[in-house]
Amino acid sequence: LAKTTQPISMDSYEGQEVNITCSHNNIATNDYITWYQQFPSQGPRFIIQGYKTKVTNEVASLFIPADRKSSTLSLPRVSLSDTAVYYCLVSEQNSNYQLIWGAGTKLIIKP
Amino acid sequence: DSGVTQTPKHLITATGQRVTLRCSPRSGDLSVYWYQQSLDQGLQFLIQYYNGEERAKGNILERFSAQQFPDLHSELNLSPLELGDSALYFCASSVGSGGQETQYFGPGTRLLVL
Repeated sequence: LAKTTQPISMDSYEGQEVNITCSHNNIATNDYITWYQQFPSQGPRFIIQGYKTKVTNEVASLFIPADRKSSTLSLPRVSLSDTAVYYCLVSEQNSNYQLIWGAGTKLIIKP
Repeated sequence: DSGVTQTPKHLITATGQRVTLRCSPRSGDLSVYWYQQSLDQGLQFLIQYYNGEERAKGNILERFSAQQFPDLHSELNLSPLELGDSALYFCASSVGSGGQETQYFGPGTRLLVL
């Protein structure tokens, strides 16, 4: 069973690039990695998903090294509105299908 | 707006009581997920249903039960309630049942147990 570990909190400044890393040591070959963003009192919202190497969309990039034991969410040129909690999710695809959520990283962007 | 609806938005009740939380998934979505989020805590995955069948089980207590109906809406029952059950309960839905599915979350039901 995979276990996910994320930093509890991070600070950065407007206009900077922010990288949040999630460790998932026991990830299996077919497991997917997904990141969600959550604002207070709202449901999480999908940001990006990957399986290996690098994925980029209009809001973020996801870097997954070859051993897949970690993944890094990269937010380019953050703004104050990016202040939120970010969760990584490992979706296990084996016979014992499970959803393994990280504890979340509280990102605070300062002006 | 994700397209997932949850009712009620707020619920205040007492220990020992029973409550039912309701979730309507996005049109066309076959999977429904339930989550519990206590104050300033992370998401706790409870259970997932796919097209009426249980697909995955997380940290759901024996006092909790859930089901997905033929019209694909889902209900989460909590009984008997304890003080520690006070939390925000989220429902999410997705088209399929696999790990590559994007989950769309509802606005949540805030439960307060007194």
